[in-house]
Amino acid sequence: KNEVEQSPQNLTAQEGEFITINCSYSVGISALHWLQQHPGGGIVSLFMLSSGKKKHGRLIATINIQEKHSSLHITASHPRDSAVYICAVRLIQGAQKLVFGQGTRLTINP
Amino acid sequence: DAGVIQSPRHEVTEMGQEVTLRCKPISGHDYLFWYRQTMMRGLELLIYFNNNVPIDDSGMPEDRFSAKMPNASFSTLKIQPSEPRDSAVYFCASSALPGQGGGETQYFGPGTRLLVL
Repeated sequence: KNEVEQSPQNLTAQEGEFITINCSYSVGISALHWLQQHPGGGIVSLFMLSSGKKKHGRLIATINIQEKHSSLHITASHPRDSAVYICAVRLIQGAQKLVFGQGTRLTINP
Repeated sequence: DAGVIQSPRHEVTEMGQEVTLRCKPISGHDYLFWYRQTMMRGLELLIYFNNNVPIDDSGMPEDRFSAKMPNASFSTLKIQPSEPRDSAVYFCASSALPGQGGGETQYFGPGTRLLVL
């Protein structure tokens, strides 16, 4: 079993829909990252969370440390949000190693 | 800043050849990471450096892989000899010290797409 599991693996939605991507992990962590990989392959860091919630534009990320679960939400989705979203956890406080989920491929149709 | 720079962007080589991938991190960043991405295994950390010193190389697949960071502005990942199963996209990323501006956000380079025939 992978240490970081994402669901769903693939998600197709219509423009304007509210999107939720989930990430569960089985190990103790000090932080969780959400990354976005564009169709061209570039990777961008969206959020780093250790507790609570963060918001940036239409993107919201939440984490529940006790339940070992995080969600990434996209409000008013747009075709330009189509990408692979990757969850990654930092395992040990003070260390910088990240362990990645397999990613969720999101497609937003106009 | 130009961001993390990687070269080459694409590399096609034959099995048995030596491959060298290069990375220039963002100026002032203390950490440098090498990742490999494949369809089967997703993103995996190969090795990371702090202040040019290798900290964790547990992800390096085998002795055919080596990485160096001779100074704060340059790192190489070398595969010798290369094999078809090494075909992947190799990303370099860098980050600042925890607590500094930008903190632990990792900034990724554009990647090197390697194909070993």
